[in-house]
Amino acid sequence: QVHLQESGPGLVKPSETLSLTCTVSGVSVNSAAYYWSWIRQPPGKGLEWIGHIFYDGRTKLNPSLESRVSFSVDTSINQFSLTLRSVTAADTAVYYCVRDEDGLAAFDYWGQGALVTVSS
Amino acid sequence: DILLTQSPSSLSASVGDRVTITCRTSQSVDKYLYWYQQKVGQAPKLLIYVASSLHSGVSSRFRGSGYGTDFTLTISNLQPEDFATYFCQQSFNSPRTFGQGTKVDLK
Repeated sequence: QVHLQESGPGLVKPSETLSLTCTVSGVSVNSAAYYWSWIRQPPGKGLEWIGHIFYDGRTKLNPSLESRVSFSVDTSINQFSLTLRSVTAADTAVYYCVRDEDGLAAFDYWGQGALVTVSS
Repeated sequence: DILLTQSPSSLSASVGDRVTITCRTSQSVDKYLYWYQQKVGQAPKLLIYVASSLHSGVSSRFRGSGYGTDFTLTISNLQPEDFATYFCQQSFNSPRTFGQGTKVDLK
């Protein structure tokens, strides 16, 4: 059973850094069959793909965020992480970690989501 | 970025109805179009991949069709558990992009 779980602070101050970790179970992040994505959804709004990371650390980022975003992966503990710098209120959203199946190019398993609010 | 436009933005339907949602893309995405269902307070779930393939465990009441720039999600015999928001998404080009969503609620 594939399971993804986001963790991290629910409140971040403006101009500071948002950090989230996704713990994966039921599948290894050290697999060439999958990418590991982050997707966010502001309250009441649509979905935005932030980017993905491969097991070897290669990343692809959404140009709209790439100047502020970085990803990392730790295959030894089956986790991957998101860092978003210089946040503003516009970064308030539910952040999902998602398995990105390479062959299907589909987001096939999602975490439950973590609400991060940017506020002083 | 490829823009995805869904229509309608919302619709009201009754149990047992057949519902059709359309997704139009700003340029061809070949067959790389996906449909997701999202219920309130939950993460999206994959329904359809590469335009017309049913994801594992998804009811056969859901059907996807289309190619290029015009795609359709059809839900037959609408059930109470189908009232939700539906999103289309393309994986043809990076960045991956989503439609704005179509909310299906009870008439």
